[in-house]
Amino acid sequence: DGGITQSPKYLFRKEGQNVTLSCEQNLNHDAMYWYRQDPGQGLRLIYYSQIVNDFQKGDIAEGYSVSREKKESFPLTVTSAQKNPTAFYLCASISGTGLSGANVLTFGAGSRLTVL
Amino acid sequence: AQSVAQPEDQVNVAEGNPLTVKCTYSVSGNPYLFWYVQYPNRGLQFLLKYITGDNLVKGSYGFEAEFNKSQTSFHLKKPSALVSDSALYFCAVRDIYGGATNKLIFGTGTLLAVQP
Repeated sequence: DGGITQSPKYLFRKEGQNVTLSCEQNLNHDAMYWYRQDPGQGLRLIYYSQIVNDFQKGDIAEGYSVSREKKESFPLTVTSAQKNPTAFYLCASISGTGLSGANVLTFGAGSRLTVL
Repeated sequence: AQSVAQPEDQVNVAEGNPLTVKCTYSVSGNPYLFWYVQYPNRGLQFLLKYITGDNLVKGSYGFEAEFNKSQTSFHLKKPSALVSDSALYFCAVRDIYGGATNKLIFGTGTLLAVQP
């Protein structure tokens, strides 16, 4: 079945450690996104990528980094510079360039990061 | 600037009764509007969208939404609620004239609780 796979589902991190969240899609979608979800704040865009080897900062990129070396993969690294990293992280993708159209986002199941 | 508001943090309804989850939006041009649903510790699932045409949009699981341009609203409705409808619902908007870098803006979410 086509879809988006995020791993790990749950992750615990000590303060000062970098962690990488994986996002893989087999939908042949061009554009991929990372959102952060906090209670009562909805979804906030961290980074997005419209094509391989290119990505742009979203609204809350500070303390995060991404890469897009393959169309299928868009990993997110939460660095030690992110002051409040405990959250639910959602990866999504969309066909075409996505952002200017009426296309629908497809989401992964999410990764819950907890900083101890 | 684009924005979307979901004025109710939680909506409670008895099973079998009609339900409404409210959403209002603000865009500079004409909007693309979306509703997504999220079950606990899962990603978001697409329910329905308004692009153009008929103001009443029908979607998945018996849900529908009414686009009202004069009131800048896009309320989600269902004639008869089920306990299984209990979840977190997100409204989202995109300005169709925003160009290729335009983003999808999400509301803060409304928790729907359907009592048996």
